[in-house]
Amino acid sequence: DTEVTQTPKHLVMGMTNKKSLKCEQHMGHRAMYWYKQKAKKPPELMFVYSYEKLSINESVPSRFSPECPNSSLLNLHLHALQPEDSALYLCASSQGRRGETQYFGPGTRLLVL
Amino acid sequence: QKEVEQNSGPLSVPEGAIASLNCTYSDRGSQSFFWYRQYSGKSPELIMFIYSNGDKEDGRFTAQLNKASQYVSLLIRDSQPSDSATYLCAVIRYGGATNKLIFGTGTLLAVQP
Repeated sequence: DTEVTQTPKHLVMGMTNKKSLKCEQHMGHRAMYWYKQKAKKPPELMFVYSYEKLSINESVPSRFSPECPNSSLLNLHLHALQPEDSALYLCASSQGRRGETQYFGPGTRLLVL
Repeated sequence: QKEVEQNSGPLSVPEGAIASLNCTYSDRGSQSFFWYRQYSGKSPELIMFIYSNGDKEDGRFTAQLNKASQYVSLLIRDSQPSDSATYLCAVIRYGGATNKLIFGTGTLLAVQP
């Protein structure tokens, strides 16, 4: 089973709202990732958690705040977003530090008004 | 020079033909290579991974790796209209405690019925 789940599938929010994206995997993977993807572009790495610790932050604005409550869950808290933040947000997981194959969830389509 | 390069396409092939998708990479130290398929509006789906020089076959898909020439390719035999999608080549960049997956810009494949 290589399933990564994400909720919600779609999200519309205003620039003053606070919302959260959720990601879950039950493959025993110890690395989890957040990517942002704009239309006709490849996924762009935002954050990496390895063994529940934040190991990479790709200089993402502080209006995006990741959280890894446990090894199966990954959240992305959103606050005061801008319209240009509208994109497909993808979660992925892989086995661990050297386990490299990443499996993606279905994504959350975010629209910021 | 981009770290991972792909022709953006579109690559148009007739149904039943062989589609050949190519990718070059710049880091000679790269060890792990991935092909993802992404349908419009959906998330990337892992098709193949390859670590060793030569060919790796899985059903209608064959990945080919040539580390000396720094290219990796994906052949799709008996192409079907359902294969029409963007194909993303990705390479692992090693560094620190966590590796990153570096994507090419993707090749759009259109299989004509």
